[in-house]
Amino acid sequence: AQKVTQAQTEISVVEKEDVTLDCVYETRDTTYYLFWYKQPPSGELVFLIRRNSFDEQNEISGRYSWNFQKSTSSFNFTITASQVVDSAVYFCALSETVGDMRFGAGTRLTVKP
Amino acid sequence: EAQVTQNPRYLITVTGKKLTVTCSQNMNHEYMSWYRQDPGLGLRQIYYSMNVEVTDKGDVPEGYKVSRKEKRNFPLILESPSPNQTSLYFCASSSWAGANEKLFFGSGTQLSVL
Repeated sequence: AQKVTQAQTEISVVEKEDVTLDCVYETRDTTYYLFWYKQPPSGELVFLIRRNSFDEQNEISGRYSWNFQKSTSSFNFTITASQVVDSAVYFCALSETVGDMRFGAGTRLTVKP
Repeated sequence: EAQVTQNPRYLITVTGKKLTVTCSQNMNHEYMSWYRQDPGLGLRQIYYSMNVEVTDKGDVPEGYKVSRKEKRNFPLILESPSPNQTSLYFCASSSWAGANEKLFFGSGTQLSVL
């Protein structure tokens, strides 16, 4: 069975601090996809990144970076120099077969000015 | 503008009174799905559809029905709502090219069942 664990329920940082959101997943498949979504206070869900299991390259997009490590079944998300606008709930998700998508419980990030 | 539209945004109802939450997308996506979001549980998949007339159960399908008669619409039906179905519901869609693409989400429907 699939499982996604986001052990950090809530994180609070001060603006300009770096912060890492952890995501650990469980799967027996060799082909799978990992995602991160952001849910700002307004409530909508916004796609951030998709990574397939064969691509372990880390990715950087502006202040955001993702570290995918199959050896530890982790797909962690780092925000560098955090800003107040980064305050949101962040969800990690795993998909094995086409159609299903399992989300973690989410990590609420609060960035204080 | 490409979007997924859910209605209503807020809904308060009573136990046992049938209701439908509508979902429509204008991106010609094959795949559509419904999720519920509850505190501490994240988003859980209720039902999904790979195309017209093709639907499958997700992790928490009990008490829900769906239909996919047209490509753009994927309504969620609660025939006899109960208080444990009080939740925030999201509809989502994506294109499908043999791989799991990113989801586009609607704005959500906050449902309260009294």
